[in-house]
Amino acid sequence: GDSVTQMEGPVTLSEEAFLTINCTYTATGYPSLFWYVQYPGEGLQLLLKATKADDKGSNKGFEATYRKETTSFHLEKGSVQVSDSAVYFCALRSGNTGGFKTIFGAGTRLFVKA
Amino acid sequence: SQTIHQWPATLVQPVGSPLSLECTVEGTSNPNLYWYRQAAGRGLQLLFYSVGIGQISSEVPQNLSASRPQDRQFILSSKKLLLSDSGFYLCAWSSGANVLTFGAGSRLTVL
Repeated sequence: GDSVTQMEGPVTLSEEAFLTINCTYTATGYPSLFWYVQYPGEGLQLLLKATKADDKGSNKGFEATYRKETTSFHLEKGSVQVSDSAVYFCALRSGNTGGFKTIFGAGTRLFVKA
Repeated sequence: SQTIHQWPATLVQPVGSPLSLECTVEGTSNPNLYWYRQAAGRGLQLLFYSVGIGQISSEVPQNLSASRPQDRQFILSSKKLLLSDSGFYLCAWSSGANVLTFGAGSRLTVL
């Protein structure tokens, strides 16, 4: 079945450092790919998405490119801030189940130090 | 604009007691509705989803159940809670845009 694998955390960075969180997926067909972010004590919110190969999603300085050849959707940010400390989830949504289910990775916790 | 409400925010219940978590969506019609569980240090597990009133699909066999008595209302229930039911429960909705919008979550502790 469909699955998402993302790097284990926690990831600890200093402010203004470069961030990469790796995400790979397994899916049949052509899934849509997402990054969601969860701030402490809150629900998840969409950070960015890409719906087809070579699309780049971007938001708030974060970027991720849909790479079909490597089945990857790595999250990057050039300069992180303390306010970026959160848990980041990679996710996919495929049409195999009528497009009704979103499959999430285990999440990667990011700590950014001042 | 669309909003999603989920309550209660925090719940502490003894083993064997019943559970009812409620979720409502405003500002949209016929949404797809979902219940996810996030156990401590783990990712999100899809428990139930619904594409219409009275239509419930279960992803994980367990002692939980879900109901959708109205178009924009989704309820998660249990007759007898287990210790392993502790976790952070998230309700979400989506339309054709494929994006999930989550509620603030309900933290359940079973003692």
